[in-house]
Amino acid sequence: QVQLQQSGPGLVKPSETLSLTCNVSGVSINTYYWSWIRQTPGKGLEWIGNIYHSGSTTYNPSLQSRVTMSVDTSKNQFSLNLSSVTAADTAVYYCARDYSGGRGYYFFDHWGQGTLVTVSS
Amino acid sequence: IQLTQSPSSLSASVGDRVNITCRATRDISTLLAWYQLKSGKAPKVLIYAASTLQSGVPSRFSGSGSGTDFTLTISSLQPEDFATYYCQYLNSYPRTFGGGTKVEIK
Repeated sequence: QVQLQQSGPGLVKPSETLSLTCNVSGVSINTYYWSWIRQTPGKGLEWIGNIYHSGSTTYNPSLQSRVTMSVDTSKNQFSLNLSSVTAADTAVYYCARDYSGGRGYYFFDHWGQGTLVTVSS
Repeated sequence: IQLTQSPSSLSASVGDRVNITCRATRDISTLLAWYQLKSGKAPKVLIYAASTLQSGVPSRFSGSGSGTDFTLTISSLQPEDFATYYCQYLNSYPRTFGGGTKVEIK
């Protein structure tokens, strides 16, 4: 079955870069869009952006200046970098698959388990 | 488009019927999904296209509505249903979620 396994540090210092990786198993990373989403106590769920297997990306305008996503099809994984982090970026970060099934709309049908990332010195 | 969920939290007992609403700022047809988030677990999609039950989701969950007003109903709340629930508009960039509804034990 489809599984998304996240990895990356749980503590990042202010002004540094948050880096997370999502390893996909049970399905090829090709063909689908793959998203990063975060959950903060104050703002609920916030979509960060997504990436296609070709490397094409779409980012949330609210974070666009600090976000970079990449994909490694040989390893069936994709990654998130968020630069210049502050305490406001403290959140649980999730990776997820954007699924359409040809319906013309997308929802997130498989998610990683989440990574709590705390921004603190 | 913005999505407003209500209530933001609720307390209920096992066996209760629970309704959570999601209101969109304009007509979104049936382009809405519902998710369940529990601490330490991978989130789950419950409903998509407003009323289609995702495979494997218990039938006590149901979704209804179209246009601007939507409802997630849990017909008989079970202990494992205490969680936070979010709605999402399906056809937009950026992907947009409601503010969430936390369902707590009474």
